[in-house]
Amino acid sequence: DVKVTQSSRYLVKRTGEKVFLECVQDMDHENMFWYRQDPGLGLRLIYFSYDVKMKEKGDIPEGYSVSREKKERFSLILESASTNQTSMYLCASRPHGRGEYTQYFGPGTRLTVL
Amino acid sequence: AQRVTQPEKLLSVFKGAPVELKCNYSYSGSPELFWYVQYSRQRLQLLLRHISRESIKGFTADLNKGETSFHLKKPFAQEEDSAMYYCALFTGGGNKLTFGTGTQLKVEL
Repeated sequence: DVKVTQSSRYLVKRTGEKVFLECVQDMDHENMFWYRQDPGLGLRLIYFSYDVKMKEKGDIPEGYSVSREKKERFSLILESASTNQTSMYLCASRPHGRGEYTQYFGPGTRLTVL
Repeated sequence: AQRVTQPEKLLSVFKGAPVELKCNYSYSGSPELFWYVQYSRQRLQLLLRHISRESIKGFTADLNKGETSFHLKKPFAQEEDSAMYYCALFTGGGNKLTFGTGTQLKVEL
């Protein structure tokens, strides 16, 4: 079974704080993704990475950065948290290769910024 | 640019009634389409993909390139089908999935 884990299920931070969300996958997948999930807006891609130290902007990268120092770990960083970043954050991974399209998701981190 | 549209935010049906969750897409290339499902307090998971042409939990979805649609159907809804359903489009060139806004399916007794 593919396992994607996220460091926290719930997180409460204050405006202006630096926030780290961690994601780890145990299946040696090359591709990893960060989404935010908001009611009525669906899943929106923030950043993704197709290899160690590689990153690509998604559809809504503003206010976020990422880090991938090891293949199994992909971190999302909110440099200065704002209230409009209150959301559910989902991490996902996927192997690289033709026909490998299934993404495996973590349980999510519900972040509240006060 | 690729786009996925799910016109219904909420779909409410009675148990035993047919279900159709609508999905339309726009993409100039050859599409790969998927349905993902999220049950209450569970993680998002793949339900089915169009190239498999399979039925999962009684659900099927046919890709209609002429209408650019990939509607999800089930002949008889069950209470356990209540969940959030997302349609997704894979674009190989971009190496990413584009999701729709989701439809909450509620099956009432």
